[in-house]
Amino acid sequence: QVHLQESGPGLVKPSQTLSLTCTVSGDSISGSNNFWSWVRQPAGQGLEWIGRIHTSGTTNYNPSLKSRVTVSLDTSNNQFSLKLTSVTAADTAVYFCTKDPPGYWGQGTPVTVSS
Amino acid sequence: QAVVTQEPSLIVSPGGTVILTCGFSTGTVTSGHYPYWFQQHPGQAPKTLIYDTTHRHSSTPARFSGSLLGGKAALTLSGAQPEDEAEYYCLVLYAGVPTFGGGTKLTVL
Repeated sequence: QVHLQESGPGLVKPSQTLSLTCTVSGDSISGSNNFWSWVRQPAGQGLEWIGRIHTSGTTNYNPSLKSRVTVSLDTSNNQFSLKLTSVTAADTAVYFCTKDPPGYWGQGTPVTVSS
Repeated sequence: QAVVTQEPSLIVSPGGTVILTCGFSTGTVTSGHYPYWFQQHPGQAPKTLIYDTTHRHSSTPARFSGSLLGGKAALTLSGAQPEDEAEYYCLVLYAGVPTFGGGTKLTVL
C-alpha cells in the first residue's frame, strides 16, 4: 500500500520561502511512470493544484504560481519536495502531496503565513 | 484560461441515483483531459474515487462510476448511502495543467 506523508514548518513568515517534503513509502518515486504532485486548500475553500513532477523529471506548474514554485525529486530518500517563494497570507492553507495515477493522497499539513 | 464547472450543490435520497458533472466554460471534456473525481469529508484529506475518466481507485465502492456525458465528465452514484454526503471535486487536464472544479456539495437526504 502506498503511503505519503507531508512534513515541514507549520509557520512561515511573509516574504520567506515555504519548504515542504513528501515522504513516500510502498513505492519508488523513480521506478514508475507516475506524477508526484502538490495541492493546497485554504480553510473553507476548494482545492488548488500547485504543481507536479514526473518520474522522468519533467515538471508542470499552475500558471498563477509558476514564478514562485519549484517541485523536485530526492530519489535517494524516496521523497519529493515543494518550494514556494515570497509567501504571503494568501498562501496559508493545508498542503497535500499526491501520487497520480491512481491518486494516493497524504493526510495534509497546515501551513500558516504570519509574522 | 478555461474555468472548470461543477454543480454547486445536489441532493440525493438514500438509495437513489445522482449524476455529478464536470465541464469547461468553453469546450468539451474528453478522455484526453484525463478526468479525476475526488471525495472529501469535512476535516479529512480528499480521496480519489475515479481516475482517467472511468477507472475506479482500488478503494472506491462499486456504486461510484465515471463516464463522459454530454460533453462533460460525469460521476454517477447509484444507491446513495449516508456516508456519501461529502464535497466532490473533479480535476481535468487543460493545456497540460491539471485544474480543479469548484466542487459539488452532495447532500443525502
